[in-house]
Amino acid sequence: EPEVTQTPSHQVTQMGQEVILRCVPISNHLYFYWYRQILGQKVEFLVSFYNNEISEKSEIFDDQFSVERPDGSNFTLKIRSTKLEDSAMYFCASAGGQSSYEQYFGPGTRLTVT
Amino acid sequence: GQQVMQIPQYQHVQEGEDFTTYCNSSTTLSNIQWYKQRPGGHPVFLIQLVKSGEVKKQKRLTFQFGEAKKNSSLHITATQTTDVGTYFCAASGAGKSTFGDGTTLTVKP
Repeated sequence: EPEVTQTPSHQVTQMGQEVILRCVPISNHLYFYWYRQILGQKVEFLVSFYNNEISEKSEIFDDQFSVERPDGSNFTLKIRSTKLEDSAMYFCASAGGQSSYEQYFGPGTRLTVT
Repeated sequence: GQQVMQIPQYQHVQEGEDFTTYCNSSTTLSNIQWYKQRPGGHPVFLIQLVKSGEVKKQKRLTFQFGEAKKNSSLHITATQTTDVGTYFCAASGAGKSTFGDGTTLTVKP
């Protein structure tokens, strides 16, 4: 069964450093998402991406964040200058087919900013 | 933007008891999705509801969408230990999904 993959599974970085989180969505999906989940809290929408551009973004997704689909398979989230409060689990999701909201989540990348 | 309130936050049941979680919105929703997240895992899509008054079943799980499309519920009959986890509803539209706070279910064997 096709699945969304994410790398790395855990990233530790120092405050102020740039990080890139990588995702490989399901191959025939057209809609891509990034979410974050602070430990013990709900899933928070960051950004959606369709047709090589951002469809929608939340207030969390400020100028420090960017997304890219560089080669038609990978989907990346970059945080330019990490802050302590960026520590969270970051989930990539993709959707396609009959409904753009039937989303399949990857296993997540746990980001720890020290 | 859309906001969805989910209750209860926690539910602890004895194995075999039923469980229900509710999702409410002050505005009319286009659709609602339900996800399950096991401890340490990622959200897994369960179902999407679109039509007013829609009811869908998956084995012991029953999902309902209210007539006014402002609320939804997930009911589990005769819970099992494999049902443990956090159940989230999500309302989606215009390229964005808003998740509820989730209901965390624990099941005592």
